[in-house]
Amino acid sequence: GAVVSQHPSWVICKSGTSVKIECRSLDFQATTMFWYRQFPKQSLMLMATSNEGSKATYEQGVEKDKFLINHASLTLSTLTVTSAHPEDSSFYICSASGPGAGANVLTFGAGSRLTVL
Amino acid sequence: AQSVTQPDIHITVSEGASLELRCNYSYGATPYLFWYVQSPGQGLQLLLKYFSGDTLVQGIKGFEAEFKRSQSSFNLRKPSVHWSDAAEYFCAVGASGTASKLTFGTGTRLQVTL
Repeated sequence: GAVVSQHPSWVICKSGTSVKIECRSLDFQATTMFWYRQFPKQSLMLMATSNEGSKATYEQGVEKDKFLINHASLTLSTLTVTSAHPEDSSFYICSASGPGAGANVLTFGAGSRLTVL
Repeated sequence: AQSVTQPDIHITVSEGASLELRCNYSYGATPYLFWYVQSPGQGLQLLLKYFSGDTLVQGIKGFEAEFKRSQSSFNLRKPSVHWSDAAEYFCAVGASGTASKLTFGTGTRLQVTL
């Protein structure tokens, strides 16, 4: 079946630094990728939608300059949290859809836990 | 705008007992409905989905869900729960016709007692 890999699975960084999270589709072409954020014991909140080769579309309230999303290839999207602060600590999950992944179904990565000290 | 309500934040059942997790949705057209399961610190695994056709859908791990348009519900059921089913369960709704962005409910945490 379709597999989405996220890396790193967890990361700790100092306040003010930037962190990059990768999301890869291993066995299909991810024409669209979605980035979600999940606070402890809460649901997933969509941050942005990215289509390969296009600029990401951000949800209302999400700072595009803080959460940089790049989807330069059909198998890779990256989320960079710039100038991270403790309030950015969260669980970030990507999902992808595309040919070969099952019609109208999103495949989710295992998530990346970010802790900002 | 689409929305999903999972009224039960936390449910505890005994192993071997039956389970029903409630999900109500709000959507202007025919929705695509999903149930996902999330183990601690993990991503989401698709249990089942409803797009059209038979309103009773079967999923993995012995789960099933029934789409009831009149009640705007898509409840998840399992006749006999196993201890390994303990996890967080999310109901989600998406626009029909495409794997577009999903709107998730707040989740139901299932605890299974032995």
